[in-house]
Amino acid sequence: DTAVSQTPKYLVTQMGNDKSIKCEQNLGHDTMYWYKQDSKKFLKIMFSYNNKELIINETVPNRFSPKSPDKAHLNLHINSLELGDSAVYFCASSQVSSGSYEQYFGPGTRLTVT
Amino acid sequence: SQQGEEDPQALSIQEGENATMNCSYKTSINNLQWYRQNSGRGLVHLILIRSNEREKHSGRLRVTLDTSKKSSSLLITASRAADTASYFCATGGRGNKLTFGTGTQLKVEL
Repeated sequence: DTAVSQTPKYLVTQMGNDKSIKCEQNLGHDTMYWYKQDSKKFLKIMFSYNNKELIINETVPNRFSPKSPDKAHLNLHINSLELGDSAVYFCASSQVSSGSYEQYFGPGTRLTVT
Repeated sequence: SQQGEEDPQALSIQEGENATMNCSYKTSINNLQWYRQNSGRGLVHLILIRSNEREKHSGRLRVTLDTSKKSSSLLITASRAADTASYFCATGGRGNKLTFGTGTQLKVEL
């Protein structure tokens, strides 16, 4: 069974559109994250949720809005997509409350904005 | 930016040789982690070393941490073609926020 899954795997859309990426983890973890990896492979955290509560919100345009309906899901909605949003977006999870800090990553969603 | 630097950016070795990657970071840390990323895939956690530890082993992996120099190294011994991937260090901070390094692309040739 896939531990951290994301849908879709690929997303091609035009500038100005609104799109969502979904993430689910079946590990029972209490914390989930969104990362962005650009074309140079730089990975940067965007958001983190612990038990559905937002705990990390990096300097991200407010066109990006995360939503955590429950502990196992963290979705990312992006409004008014721009060319610079093209990247690979990774979801991850960890069980912070038990002192386990390693993060488990999903396979990524490659977003291409044209 | 708090992003760490990794050195070298790219490394090509023969199967059976050892590979060493270095990571430098800028702020105080709770822990430092190493991840592997195969082409087109997600990251896989390799090893975590806490700020009060100096060395850690896991299979063919050996990690060192020097907090006074704000640096870490990852040694992969007896490399295999399957080790070909990008390797990232990441420092763990408040809220388990990971700050990633720039990555080292390792190619292991037969």
